[in-house]
Amino acid sequence: TQLLEQSPQFLSIQEGENLTVYCNSSSVFSSLQWYRQEPGEGPVLLVTVVTGGEVKKLKRLTFQFGDARKDSSLHITAAQPGDTGLYLCAGAGDGGSNYKLTFGKGTLLTVNP
Amino acid sequence: GAGVSQSPRYKVAKRGQDVALRCDPISGHVSLFWYQQALGQGPEFLTYFQNEAQLDKSGLPSDRFFAERPEGSVSTLKIQRTQQEDSAVYLCASSPRTEAFFGQGTRLTVV
Repeated sequence: TQLLEQSPQFLSIQEGENLTVYCNSSSVFSSLQWYRQEPGEGPVLLVTVVTGGEVKKLKRLTFQFGDARKDSSLHITAAQPGDTGLYLCAGAGDGGSNYKLTFGKGTLLTVNP
Repeated sequence: GAGVSQSPRYKVAKRGQDVALRCDPISGHVSLFWYQQALGQGPEFLTYFQNEAQLDKSGLPSDRFFAERPEGSVSTLKIQRTQQEDSAVYLCASSPRTEAFFGQGTRLTVV
């Protein structure tokens, strides 16, 4: 069974601060996706990383996939209240089960004005 | 619409009642998934369709859960004889290849 551990589980910061969310596993994933989910809504895809060591930037968000494709991080620079939400990482299985996403429990981020 | 549509958004069922949850995927998306999200948790995989074929149902919690996609488009997740532990948000997602696009979910509360 593939498991993804996310940390921290909760994060409350002030507007303008930087933060990093971590996603770790003992399993190798063919790709890893980051989602943001707001209350009462479904997860919305932010980015997909595929190659070990890959770094992707989306405005103030920087995503990194570990060299061994077992872990990932999300860094937000100068957080804004609009960044508030549940951030979920999800790994796609290696090999024949690459359609199936294994989600972490999420990091609930609150950015206070 | 352009996105994945789920109905109803909210469902309250009495224990023992049968429920049916509907998913309209994005047009042309071959793959369709159902996930279950308990409060404070990430989504957990239930089942996967490629067109009308159910290729993986390993995540369905019990034989009370049944999913179908008879024409390769709309899908229905049916739960028979609902139990309190079935209370959760049921998310449907469709995908053209590997990236999943989720609907808003159906929040099921069993009382």
